[in-house]
Amino acid sequence: NAGVTQTPKFQVLKTGQSMTLQCAQDMNHNSMYWYRQDPGMGLRLIYYSASEGTTDKGEVPNGYNVSRLNKREFSLRLESAAPSQTSVYFCASSERLAENYEQYFGPGTRLTVT
Amino acid sequence: AQSVTQPDIHITVSEGASLELRCNYSYGATPYLFWYVQSPGQGLQLLLKYFSGDTLVQGIKGFEAEFKRSQSSFNLRKPSVHWSDAAEYFCAVGAGYGNKLVFGAGTILRVKS
Repeated sequence: NAGVTQTPKFQVLKTGQSMTLQCAQDMNHNSMYWYRQDPGMGLRLIYYSASEGTTDKGEVPNGYNVSRLNKREFSLRLESAAPSQTSVYFCASSERLAENYEQYFGPGTRLTVT
Repeated sequence: AQSVTQPDIHITVSEGASLELRCNYSYGATPYLFWYVQSPGQGLQLLLKYFSGDTLVQGIKGFEAEFKRSQSSFNLRKPSVHWSDAAEYFCAVGAGYGNKLVFGAGTILRVKS
C-alpha cells in the first residue's frame, strides 16, 4: 500500500496563476482532509470531505476549492494564487469522520507563490 | 474555541537523556488528544492518542504521554532519547465531531551526541 500520495512535491507559482494539488489514498478510507502548515502555526484545516460526494469548509477555506473526485481522490485548487498561500500542504485520510479514527498523512506539497 | 499550546518552540537534549514535551489544550468537553511526529521532508505520523480510560498512554518508538485533566495537559515523554528522534512534534486535540484536529504550533527537537 502506498498510503496517501500527493503530487506535485514542489511547485512555484506566480501571483494570479492557478493550480490543482492532487491527493489519492489506497486505504479505502471514507474521509479526506486538506491542511496547510505554516511556521509557528502548526497545521490548519482548509477543507475536508466526510465521504464521497461531500465537502465542507475547515478553518481557513478562503482562496481554495476542493473536489472529491471519487472515494480515492481529493484535489485542492487555487484559482488565483497569492503570496499568502505560500505554504506546505498536507492531505490526510481516515476511515471515518470521527476523532477515534486515525488520520494518515501524505508527504506534503511545498508551494511557493511569488 | 479549541486551542492547543506547545510552549517550547525548540528543545535540545543529549542522546540518552530523558525528554518531556509540553502540551496544554483548551476544550470544553472530554478531549481526544494526539501526538504526531514529523521528520524533515515527511508527512505526520501518529505517535499516540488518548480518548478515555487510563491517563498514561503508550505509543510507538518508546514514547508515552500522560493526560492530566486538572492541568489541561498532555505531555509527551521518553526516558532515553535517540538521535533518530530529532524531528518536529505536534500535539493536537479533536475539535468535536468530525475529526477536525486542532494542532499546536509544534516543538522542534534537536538531539546532540
